[in-house]
Amino acid sequence: AQRVTQPEKLLSVFKGAPVELKCNYSYSGSPELFWYVQYSRQRLQLLLRHISRESIKGFTADLNKGETSFHLKKPFAQEEDSAMYYCALRMNNNAGNMLTFGGGTRLMVKP
Amino acid sequence: NAGVTQTPKFQVLKTGQSMTLQCAQDMNHEYMSWYRQDPGMGLRLIHYSVGAGITDQGEVPNGYNVSRSTTEDFPLRLLSAAPSQTSVYFCASSYSNRGGEQYFGPGTRLTVT
Repeated sequence: AQRVTQPEKLLSVFKGAPVELKCNYSYSGSPELFWYVQYSRQRLQLLLRHISRESIKGFTADLNKGETSFHLKKPFAQEEDSAMYYCALRMNNNAGNMLTFGGGTRLMVKP
Repeated sequence: NAGVTQTPKFQVLKTGQSMTLQCAQDMNHEYMSWYRQDPGMGLRLIHYSVGAGITDQGEVPNGYNVSRSTTEDFPLRLLSAAPSQTSVYFCASSYSNRGGEQYFGPGTRLTVT
């Protein structure tokens, strides 16, 4: 069965420091990977998807099939980046749009 | 448009009571789903639907029922609430059944005592 692991429950950095939120997955097929973010008192929203290979709010993520990872990176963290981040996987062979989520990482950016 | 809406925002139930969590979307999305969010466990899929009249089970379906009589609505029913169902429930929808961004509702915080 597919699985998504986010090893850090909490990541605390100072403003301006680099950030890397780790995501590892296990899935025997070809997955589609996403990062979703939930800011305080807001609903979950899409941040990035690997197929678009874009940078959103300074964040990037590269799918590494060899290491089965999809880490989220930002070179200079901002206080407004403080939020809950979820890595999610969609199997490419299913009939629906089901996502498997990791446990989430809370990012705190200190001033 | 309003996107994905959920009611109620908060609910407290006693063990054994039943209730329905409402979810609606006005984006003509094919796919709708229900997740529960528990600390440290991320979001887990309860049930999903790929179109009106079609539903299927997700990872944690026990104790929950769904139906999809219209494209817009996807209610989640708790038949006999248990303390283990204390959680935050999110409804989500997407235009396609085969990938793409999912849009989430604001969530319903349910406490079962």
